[in-house]
Order: sequence, then structure tokens, then C-alpha cells
Amino acid sequence: DAKTTQPPSMDCAEGRAANLPCNHSTISGNEYVYWYRQIHSQGPQYIIHGLKNNETNEMASLIITEDRKSSTLILPHATLRDTAVYYCIARNGGYQKVTFGTGTKLQVIP
Amino acid sequence: NAGVTQTPKFRILKIGQSMTLQCTQDMNHNYMYWYRQDPGMGLKLIYYSVGAGITDKGEVPNGYNVSRSTTEDFPLRLELAAPSQTSVYFCASSYTDRGRTEAFFGQGTRLTVV
Repeated sequence: DAKTTQPPSMDCAEGRAANLPCNHSTISGNEYVYWYRQIHSQGPQYIIHGLKNNETNEMASLIITEDRKSSTLILPHATLRDTAVYYCIARNGGYQKVTFGTGTKLQVIP
Repeated sequence: NAGVTQTPKFRILKIGQSMTLQCTQDMNHNYMYWYRQDPGMGLKLIYYSVGAGITDKGEVPNGYNVSRSTTEDFPLRLELAAPSQTSVYFCASSYTDRGRTEAFFGQGTRLTVV
């Protein structure tokens, strides 16, 4: 699975959009981009995933560049409850092949 | 559905003691995983299972054992606990190994070995 690179931390004002970047320049054509978040040492929670098209669900939007070398997770109206560590993962096979890195610690500020 | 349930939530062990961390899922998922997370670090895979009766090692299997006698349960056994095993342990499951499948995680077991 492709290695991903994320900034270690970000701040976002409450009510504003939080844009979390992820670099996956070595991603292969059949690898999906996944986003999870971990709130206060709870179990990681699935947010969204995509292959090449942009995706949106009730939690977030995922924008994948045309060359698929990077992506951005967008939380459209960040709330204090969105404060968490966000993990970007690129994978094709099972989770036994995944390395959960240290992610991006998002702090939503009142 | 309860999802993935882990017990206990917290445990303190003395060095050399043994214990079993329980994990059960009610989603009929074939794939199950055990991870550990040390403070400030990402998750590391300990063991995984692709179905009842089949298990395999992950990145950090030493000091642990697993079994998978049923689809629902995937217990993690610690023999001769050591301070290095102080960590938060997460169990997860997924219904297939394909790249488009999400994993569901339990709420974790916080283990301290003293």
C-alpha cells in the first residue's frame, strides 16, 4: 500500500471549513484513499473513501486530484466535536497491510 | 447491531501475569484485527484473522497469541505481561479484504502493566 504524508497538526475556527491534506504520490491505480478519525483515544471511526472521483457523505467531502497523488478531506462546518486525529490511508488489500501513521491532529477552536 | 465490542475497557496487570482481551462482533464479518496504540503513536497490527480457524501475524506479534474459533469472537491472549505491553488495544473487523471495504473498530482496552 502507498505511503501517505499528512501535516502533524492543524487548527480550524468553529463553523469554518476544515481542509485536511494528504499526499500519496506513490499510489497505484487500484488503491483507494480512506479517511478515519480518532476522537480522544476512542476507536478509529470511518469517515469516507474514494478511488478517483470526488465523494461526499453526511460527514465530509473527499477531493482527489486528477493525478491521484494527493487528496483533501473537507469538513464543511467544523464543530468542537470534530477535534480529533485524522488518518489518511491508501490501500488496495486488507487492513493487515495498512500502516496507520500518526495522522493530523485537528484542533477546532471556539 | 452493537458493532465491535471489547472487554474489559481498563485493566492493570502485574508483570508476569496473563490475561485475555475479548473482542466480539455481530456484523458477520470474516476479517478481524488486533492493533495496539502506544501514546502519541499510530496503530500497529498485532494479529489478524481472515476467517474462523485462520489467523496470522501482523507487525508486532511477540508476546501475544490469538484464536478464532467462531466468526464472532477474536480473543487476544497476553502471556507473561511485560511493561512494554502497556498500551491501548483495539479490535477491528471488516467483511472483506477488498480495497473498498471499511473497517469497524471497538472502543479499545487500556492496559497497564506494572
